[in-house]
Amino acid sequence: AQSVAQPEDQVNVAEGNPLTVKCTYSVSGNPYLFWYVQYPNRGLQFLLKYITGDNLVKGSYGFEAEFNKSQTSFHLKKPSALVSDSALYFCAVRDTGNMLTFGGGTRLMVKP
Amino acid sequence: NAGVTQTPKFQVLKTGQSMTLQCAQDMNHEYMSWYRQDPGMGLRLIHYSVGAGITDQGEVPNGYNVSRSTTEDFPLRLLSAAPSQTSVYFCASSYGRDRLNTGELFFGEGSRLTVL
Repeated sequence: AQSVAQPEDQVNVAEGNPLTVKCTYSVSGNPYLFWYVQYPNRGLQFLLKYITGDNLVKGSYGFEAEFNKSQTSFHLKKPSALVSDSALYFCAVRDTGNMLTFGGGTRLMVKP
Repeated sequence: NAGVTQTPKFQVLKTGQSMTLQCAQDMNHEYMSWYRQDPGMGLRLIHYSVGAGITDQGEVPNGYNVSRSTTEDFPLRLLSAAPSQTSVYFCASSYGRDRLNTGELFFGEGSRLTVL
């Protein structure tokens, strides 16, 4: 069975600084990996995905993620954080049945 | 285009009561699913459906029933509510096994359930 780990419950960063939210995964076969964002009292919104190809994936709102097969990681990154990026971020992996397994979530706090 | 619509947004139940959380999507998606979100545990899959008339269990199905009589609707039934079912519930949909399927899920706004 596949699994996803997000080792940090919360990440704090100052506005304008680069941010990284970590994710590691465990799957058999080729991983289909996703990042979602959740703003307060809202559903999850898709940010980006890795299916195949280039290890650096670009997504919405200036976010990108780096797929590293040897380290089984899929870290979310942004070169310059905004206060409006403060939200709950979820990493997920898709199984063969198209269902997603989610990590526990990481709360990103961007301070002015 | 409304996307995925969940009702109600908030509900308080007493232990032992039953209720149904409604979910409807207008994107003609084949796949629909229900997740529950609990602090520190991410989202856990309750039940899912790959098409009308087909449902299957996810990671945490006990205490919940589902049915899929139409492509658009996927209600989640709590048969006898328990305090352990206090959670936020999300319905999600996606394309099926065809070229449109990028794996992306489309989520509703959530239903917050409290069982006393």
